[in-house]
Amino acid sequence: GENVEQHPSTLSVQEGDSAVIKCTYSDSASNYFPWYKQELGKRPQLIIDIRSNVGEKKDQRIAVTLNKTAKHFSLHITETQPEDSAVYFCAAGGGDMRFGAGTRLTVKP
Amino acid sequence: GAVVSQHPSRVICKSGTSVKIECRSLDFQATTMFWYRQFPKQSLMLMATSNEGSKATYEQGVEKDKFLINHASLTLSTLTVTSAHPEDSSFYICSARDPTSGVWEQYFGPGTRLTVT
Repeated sequence: GENVEQHPSTLSVQEGDSAVIKCTYSDSASNYFPWYKQELGKRPQLIIDIRSNVGEKKDQRIAVTLNKTAKHFSLHITETQPEDSAVYFCAAGGGDMRFGAGTRLTVKP
Repeated sequence: GAVVSQHPSRVICKSGTSVKIECRSLDFQATTMFWYRQFPKQSLMLMATSNEGSKATYEQGVEKDKFLINHASLTLSTLTVTSAHPEDSSFYICSARDPTSGVWEQYFGPGTRLTVT
């Protein structure tokens, strides 16, 4: 089955800096790679996703890159703001998904 | 966007009793629903995948007789925690997806916090 690893587990940046979170996956059949933001006690919110036929996708301050050969994908947040502070999860799969362990991002004002 | 509701949002029950959690897709037909469990400060662990009208597929290590899943309609799936024990206390989240729509995104419910005393 799919196994997703996520790093780092915690990340602290200064407001305005960039943040990068990396994930690797094991199942070459996985073809959908979403990223979720979860605030305490709330549901995960999809922030961006990428499918296996695309190498990069950008939405304003958020971008995701995918390297299928190396089986890794990354989330890039530029110009971070305090409201970006949350736990971020990557996931990989197709019909069903497996989640990474999460990264707690703290953006210091 | 697609909306998924979950009920109840919080439930406290006594050890040995059963609890039912409902997951509803409000504005789309969810042919596939997923149930996750999340412990504090941990990730979402997939418990089972259910397809409307068929038996759920459980992940390894999840007791199917303890966590009963029913997906009787295209808009409703239920998770029943039978003979609950304190170690079953957790945050349970469902998600729903319509594979026939061509949309890959899973839409998450708000979660149910179960506390077993």
